[in-house]
Amino acid sequence: KAGVTQTPRYLIKTRGQQVTLSCSPISGHRSVSWYQQTPGQGLQFLFEYFSETQRNKGNFPGRFSGRQFSNSRSEMNVSTLELGDSALYLCASSWIGVGETQYFGPGTRLLVL
Amino acid sequence: DQQVKQNSPSLSVQEGRISILNCDYTNSMFDYFLWYKKYPAEGPTFLISISSIKDKNEDGRFTVFLNKSAKHLSLHIVPSQPGDSAVYFCAGYGGSQGNLIFGKGTKLSVKP
Repeated sequence: KAGVTQTPRYLIKTRGQQVTLSCSPISGHRSVSWYQQTPGQGLQFLFEYFSETQRNKGNFPGRFSGRQFSNSRSEMNVSTLELGDSALYLCASSWIGVGETQYFGPGTRLLVL
Repeated sequence: DQQVKQNSPSLSVQEGRISILNCDYTNSMFDYFLWYKKYPAEGPTFLISISSIKDKNEDGRFTVFLNKSAKHLSLHIVPSQPGDSAVYFCAGYGGSQGNLIFGKGTKLSVKP
């Protein structure tokens, strides 16, 4: 069974730009969650999508948004990038959602210059 | 407010001995606690979880203990192996926001 895939793996952007990251969950999984990992803050929950609806949301500004498609693939968008947005962005999928076993992708490393 | 704390940023253990990774939390509304391990350049891998209604869960060499009165959980790895060297994150799930709160991780080094 194929695992969670994320594209692109690496990305360099400049301040003020926007970026879209993509996540394809394990086949059959309906829940996709997004996380940001930085050395200072560790792993932080961004949001969770289930059946195309945002179900849970962490404490991030509105510049961070996402969506989920009918095939459960999910995209995350960050607008007006700031230097502090440089991080590893991870997505995870599961059958039901946060709280049960989640399977993580390898992440997208974003560098904002 | 850091709801999940892993106060030891690193831990070094000899191969074959027990590794004990600790985690404290402040949110009494957590329903589940989960442990993940992460190797460099890879995403986290789910390891083991425990429901808040239990005090112990075991899976092979990994055992998680939960002490609700102390708001403390620990992960025991016995015996430790060099391949266990990784960063371990504990996380709590539940509460009013329904999201997953991670600790900042403990880097475990198991020396041969």
